[in-house]
Amino acid sequence: QSVLTQPPSASGTPGQRVTISCSGSTSNIGTNYLYWYQQLPGTAPKLLIYRNNQRPSGIPDRFSGSKSGTSASLAISGLRSEDEADYYCASWDDSLSGHVFGTGTKVTVL
Amino acid sequence: EVQLAESGGGLVQPGRSLRLSCAASGFTFDDYAMHWVRQAPGKGLEWVSGISWNSGSIGYADSVKGRFTISRNNAKKSLYLQMNSLRPEDTAFYYCAKGATVSVAAAGPDYWGQGTLVTVSS
Repeated sequence: QSVLTQPPSASGTPGQRVTISCSGSTSNIGTNYLYWYQQLPGTAPKLLIYRNNQRPSGIPDRFSGSKSGTSASLAISGLRSEDEADYYCASWDDSLSGHVFGTGTKVTVL
Repeated sequence: EVQLAESGGGLVQPGRSLRLSCAASGFTFDDYAMHWVRQAPGKGLEWVSGISWNSGSIGYADSVKGRFTISRNNAKKSLYLQMNSLRPEDTAFYYCAKGATVSVAAAGPDYWGQGTLVTVSS
């Protein structure tokens, strides 16, 4: 079972801003870096955000991450149809001595 | 360009074993930790195991501890996952993933392979 909790779904119209939350605890988000991954239908996950708020090269600045205490969020601004995907947060968990993923959020572009 | 190619998946009976391999290219393999992450069909991601650059630090999810063994051969730029005593709940796509640093714990995966499907069924 996932120890990081995300809403199962989020949606918006093209151009809107969508925010996805990720809730954890002091043993994971509260102490360690948070990562976000995008998984387009039928493909492997892709790194979107690392170290809480850093974007790898090639990731547009429409995607932004933030962290506060034991929670984090991913914001997608200027929503596009190609953003329709599953999004997962992840972090190292000191108690479990392993990486943990969020429950995943399916983003739909209306 | 980072490339990760998994192989070894397939249909296996409960209780049997399977060995997955991952061939890496496009980066200095022995400078990074490596991970296995799985995804049951239609479900979320689950970290399975990770190994540091020199195999000095290894971690497993509780769900596979004692049954799965991760290893790497830096000379061959290859990552492996030996899976024993397989159960139906191990059925999933298994992804090989490159770590962002030398350490398993310091950072999560940054590049992923396309995955190989393991189906455990009688």
